[in-house]
Amino acid sequence: DIQMTQSPASLSASVGETVTITCRVSENIYSYLAWYQQKQGKSPQLLVYNAKTLAEGVPSRFSGSGSGTQFSLKINSLQPEDFGSYYCQHHYGTPRTFGGGTKLEIK
Amino acid sequence: QIQLVQSGPVLKKPGETVKISCKASGYTFTNYGMNWVKQAPGKVLKWMGWINTYNGESTYADDFKGRSAFSLETSASTAYLQINNLKNEDMATYFCAREDFSWFAYWGQGTLVTVSA
Repeated sequence: DIQMTQSPASLSASVGETVTITCRVSENIYSYLAWYQQKQGKSPQLLVYNAKTLAEGVPSRFSGSGSGTQFSLKINSLQPEDFGSYYCQHHYGTPRTFGGGTKLEIK
Repeated sequence: QIQLVQSGPVLKKPGETVKISCKASGYTFTNYGMNWVKQAPGKVLKWMGWINTYNGESTYADDFKGRSAFSLETSASTAYLQINNLKNEDMATYFCAREDFSWFAYWGQGTLVTVSA
């Protein structure tokens, strides 16, 4: 099975800062990677698919990049509503493994 | 608008069976597959598998083969997750998520399953 390694596991940042979360994949998945945001007690929300395509309604301060085995999610100018957990997930066949998550907290 | 509405929280004893529903609306149910995702308390998301809503064929992740079963009631645009012989480690929130060309753009609100003697 494809393994997904996210880093960092947790991150503390202030409103207005720029942060980057990375996802390393155990084998080449081309651009078949998605990013989700999950707030406490809520269901995940799709942010990015196909590595760099923003989902409908997602603010442009979010951006995804990468291909093959290395991917990243960048959030420019953090807003209060951006705090929560972030997960990468490959969508290249099954099983559709998720990364271990990154918890983004307010500094 | 597209919605996935799941059944409410349940309390079960070890060894019992639970069946969770996920009712879809706002789109043609059989045009999109349905996935199931488990999230134990304080833990990460874990993909359980998916069901092809057109032909009813299910695919399960290895950790969920045996006691888990996906099913459909197509006339009611509803997908089901059944877990038999519940164990403490099944205590979690379970989400359904629509398969959109292989990513998950729509999710249910989650169903909390509590397992306690």
